[in-house]
Amino acid sequence: GEDVEQSLFLSVREGDSSVINCTYTDSSSTYLYWYKQEPGAGLQLLTYIFSNMDMKQDQRLTVLLNKKDKHLSLRIADTQTGDSAIYFCADWSGNTGKLIFGQGTTLQVKP
Amino acid sequence: GAVVSQHPSWVICKSGTSVKIECRSLDFQATTMFWYRQFPKQSLMLMATSNEGSKATYEQGVEKDKFLINHASLTLSTLTVTSAHPEDSSFYICSARDDSSVDEQFFGPGTRLTVL
Repeated sequence: GEDVEQSLFLSVREGDSSVINCTYTDSSSTYLYWYKQEPGAGLQLLTYIFSNMDMKQDQRLTVLLNKKDKHLSLRIADTQTGDSAIYFCADWSGNTGKLIFGQGTTLQVKP
Repeated sequence: GAVVSQHPSWVICKSGTSVKIECRSLDFQATTMFWYRQFPKQSLMLMATSNEGSKATYEQGVEKDKFLINHASLTLSTLTVTSAHPEDSSFYICSARDDSSVDEQFFGPGTRLTVL
């Protein structure tokens, strides 16, 4: 089946930029999403990108998509301690209509 | 914005009892809702797709007789864990797809189930 992979952990200092990477295998991907999950909470949609786009910027968030390499990244500028959370990359498969999630990347922001 | 609620937010029950979890879309209609399960420090695993007015579609390996899903209206889906056992303890999250904007799924806050 389709697969989404993420690195498990990233640690940055407050004020630095964070870059979280994701790779996927789905050739019929329609949308790719980034979600944030804080401890004990549900998922908060951060942003998403349509599969025919290369880049999307939304305030401190920049999403880059390399469709040829099936690589997605989320850049958080000026990372704050409140950004500490688990970030999930998800692929919406055009074939199945389902969201396939990566394992999640734990972002630790040190003061 | 689109809001999805879940009730209860947490529940503790004895082994052998059944537990019902509700998922509601508060300000939009959702013909399709999804139920996920998340183990500690792991990703979300899709359990089933719930469709209003029809039977749910279960993912491989998910027992439909154990995890009963009912989607009786365009704003409510329920998941009933029947004869719960300690291994069913998990974080259950639902999501709802807005009928007017099928590109997005909105997630509920999750329900923490602990079976003693």
